[in-house]
Amino acid sequence: QSALTQPASVSGSPGQSITISCTGTSNDIGTYNYVSWYQQHPGKVPRLMIYEVSNRPSGVSPRFSGSKSGNTASLTISGLRAEDEADYYCSSYTTTTTVVFGGGTKLTVL
Amino acid sequence: QVHLQESGPGLVKPSQTLSLTCTVSSGSISSGGYYWSWIRQHPGKGLEWIGYIYYSGSTYYNPSLKSRVNISVDTSKNQFSLTLSSVTAADTAVYYCARGVVLLATTDSWGQGTLVTVSS
Repeated sequence: QSALTQPASVSGSPGQSITISCTGTSNDIGTYNYVSWYQQHPGKVPRLMIYEVSNRPSGVSPRFSGSKSGNTASLTISGLRAEDEADYYCSSYTTTTTVVFGGGTKLTVL
Repeated sequence: QVHLQESGPGLVKPSQTLSLTCTVSSGSISSGGYYWSWIRQHPGKGLEWIGYIYYSGSTYYNPSLKSRVNISVDTSKNQFSLTLSSVTAADTAVYYCARGVVLLATTDSWGQGTLVTVSS
């Protein structure tokens, strides 16, 4: 199985909005609404930010939102803050009952 | 709040077998609705899913690692384990154990991770 495709890096200024894309295939994102997004600060454990494409776990800021169209999922962070600077990973369930991650996107808050 | 803790050798010689155990506390590994995963992260790289197991023992593995991986569960000890055979330097990584929610197909809890280095 191939990793989901994410941009290596994105950046934005405080207060702005950014979107990170995650492209898969009809074997994963295109078939299931089981897309998750994780935030990982350097040296820290990944944290679940979005599940089932657009649902936020309790405690996650509403500034984080998710969507999907076809084989591509997206994570949008609005009102960027310095603490949002981190690596972000998408993942999806697949038609072969496995899980696949994206390569990760480094978000820089300018 | 469930807590997961990895344990095992931090150094493994090439061609040998890597073995890690994850101890689950504040929650039963036998409770339905969850699956128990291993995920790794090579130094400075992204996350790689290794596989997961249900408390019943059913397992699912990353096809690229399937020939070398085995995940097992010991419900009496509330633990699950990973073995990875014939390791090389390319298996050097931080290994995380984690809990997944079946109905949501997402990973909601992670262990702290343990660095395993493959070197002679």
